[in-house]
Amino acid sequence: AQSVTQLGSHVSVSEGALVLLRCNYSSSVPPYLFWYVQYPNQGLQLLLKYTSAATLVKGINGFEAEFKKSETSFHLTKPSAHMSDAAEYFCAVSAYGQNFVFGPGTRLSVLP
Amino acid sequence: GAGVSQTPSNKVTEKGKYVELRCDPISGHTALYWYRQSLGQGPEFLIYFQGTGAADDSGLPNDRFFAVRPEGSVSTLKIQRTERGDSAVYLCASSPGPGDEQFFGPGTRLTVL
Repeated sequence: AQSVTQLGSHVSVSEGALVLLRCNYSSSVPPYLFWYVQYPNQGLQLLLKYTSAATLVKGINGFEAEFKKSETSFHLTKPSAHMSDAAEYFCAVSAYGQNFVFGPGTRLSVLP
Repeated sequence: GAGVSQTPSNKVTEKGKYVELRCDPISGHTALYWYRQSLGQGPEFLIYFQGTGAADDSGLPNDRFFAVRPEGSVSTLKIQRTERGDSAVYLCASSPGPGDEQFFGPGTRLTVL
């Protein structure tokens, strides 16, 4: 069975500051890990995914995430926040790309 | 090209009624997923199709929920004897195959009065 926790339902950062959104997972098999973003009134969009290749994964819009097996973490980072990054971010885990389990989400606010 | 489409975009029904929600995946995508998203929560997995068959239906909450994909493309999620707790946004996603990027539709907002 898989599960996902996202620490912090709401994160606020200043424009230009580092973005760090936390994700911890549990999985009984080697996981596939994903970050999705949901902008207001839009559908979910894939930011990046980890499927057992390089542990540092680069995604769209300057985001990246690092898979740390020892910490069962897959935190999402971006060096410099932009106003357009304000959205809801979801971490998800999957076994063999089938049953997907999503976390509860973290709402990112970017302050001018 | 066209993305995943879902119809209707909004559905209001009365408790006890039957509803059908439709998903048109991206052409050629063999994998199709249904999720349910309640306000302030992440998507909750319902069922996964690979081709015409339901490869994993472990997320369906009870036997009032059923989904089909008879020709391996369009899928219909069917809910019998709707309850107020079924109110949510129902999301459909498709991908070229399992483990590939999922492309999500805009969702159907179901309200059960």
